[in-house]
Amino acid sequence: GAGVSQSPSNKVTEKGKDVELRCDPISGHTALYWYRQSLGQGLEFLIYFQGNSAPDKSGLPSDRFSAERTGGSVSTLTIQRTQQEDSAVYLCASSSNARETQYFGPGTRLLVL
Amino acid sequence: SQKIEQNSEALNIQEGKTATLTCNYTNYSPAYLQWYRQDPGRGPVFLLLIRENEKEKRKERLKVTFDTTLKQSLFHITASQPADSATYLCSMGDNDMRFGAGTRLTVKP
Repeated sequence: GAGVSQSPSNKVTEKGKDVELRCDPISGHTALYWYRQSLGQGLEFLIYFQGNSAPDKSGLPSDRFSAERTGGSVSTLTIQRTQQEDSAVYLCASSSNARETQYFGPGTRLLVL
Repeated sequence: SQKIEQNSEALNIQEGKTATLTCNYTNYSPAYLQWYRQDPGRGPVFLLLIRENEKEKRKERLKVTFDTTLKQSLFHITASQPADSATYLCSMGDNDMRFGAGTRLTVKP
């Protein structure tokens, strides 16, 4: 594809429900990142995938958060038992390798009621 | 612990002036550093990359410096325009890339 795509663009859910956010990186990019951005705040690193290596999960805020990347391409970020403080924009980025420029998707705006 | 600090949350300047944004880091030895622009409701967009052996990099009205002794990068926008108003983020890392919190620049006409 032409760029990184994310779906859904907006998600409203009730507290306690599980949500899945999807990221389609640029074809051929081996590195994929998930970030969270609360209103007016900076990017908070969540998780990083590089090729077939074990992901760097050091930014995940709790065990309710998990992510996987199937076949080295599409990634899904799952938030279980959502809380109101999970409300934020979730951004995905990909790059051709770990140290190259990151290309960002448009984000998924999550609102937990 | 590793930290990336950008000098201020917000910077307001008059059109035509030079905007200077600062990025300081600790406990990193980055091979290079990047600057991104983020507009409201959008993801960040790459602007410039500067390597550790480069003192300065320019692109049109943008200039970036990188001082590995001071552990600091400066980002300049000359002849600023209202369209330059956005949040600017610096990014660096070793095996991956992390971001500073950003500086929100407002250029007033």
